[in-house]
Amino acid sequence: LAKTTQPISMDSYEGQEVNITCSHNNIATNDYITWYQQFPSQGPRFIIQGYKTKVTNEVASLFIPADRKSSTLSLPRVSLSDTAVYYCLVGDTIKAAGNKLTFGGGTRVLVKP
Amino acid sequence: NAGVTQTPKFQVLKTGQSMTLQCAQDMNHEYMSWYRQDPGMGLRLIHYSVGAGITDQGEVPNGYNVSRSTTEDFPLRLLSAAPSQTSVYFCASSRDRAGELFFGEGSRLTVL
Repeated sequence: LAKTTQPISMDSYEGQEVNITCSHNNIATNDYITWYQQFPSQGPRFIIQGYKTKVTNEVASLFIPADRKSSTLSLPRVSLSDTAVYYCLVGDTIKAAGNKLTFGGGTRVLVKP
Repeated sequence: NAGVTQTPKFQVLKTGQSMTLQCAQDMNHEYMSWYRQDPGMGLRLIHYSVGAGITDQGEVPNGYNVSRSTTEDFPLRLLSAAPSQTSVYFCASSRDRAGELFFGEGSRLTVL
């Protein structure tokens, strides 16, 4: 399973763009990159998933360079409600043993007024 | 749809007691898993299942048993509770391998 490394914490201000980079140097050919958001006392919630280049949905963008050894989650114009822990996961959608996915420590994002 | 439902939400046990955390999903997902989350930490995989009748161990399986007799249900059994098992437990399901995980609201367990 590919190991991921993320910053422990980041601070930002309302209205700013937040970019969280995740390193996954030993990512395998069939691995997809997935990001989750977790609020206190709740289970993680899926944000976005991608394989290469750029993926965008209504809440975030995911940038993946050609070598796929890292990825960056971009949250545009954050608000106080975006304060949460963000997890980067890497998993093989073809050969993975079901959903045997490893969560690292995550990045604690604090959005200030 | 209710999604993933976990019961109970809170439980206090004494050391040595046994109990079962229930998890049910109504999305017809093949893949289910149990995680534990200790304060300030990420989630650690306990056990997972790729379908009815098939289970396997995750990172921290010791002290826990699981079974998957139906697609919908994936109970987690604590055989003899220990204070080290004090944690928040999350059940998750997904339709695809390494696909989007849907989590329950969690079960907070305290072992005295």
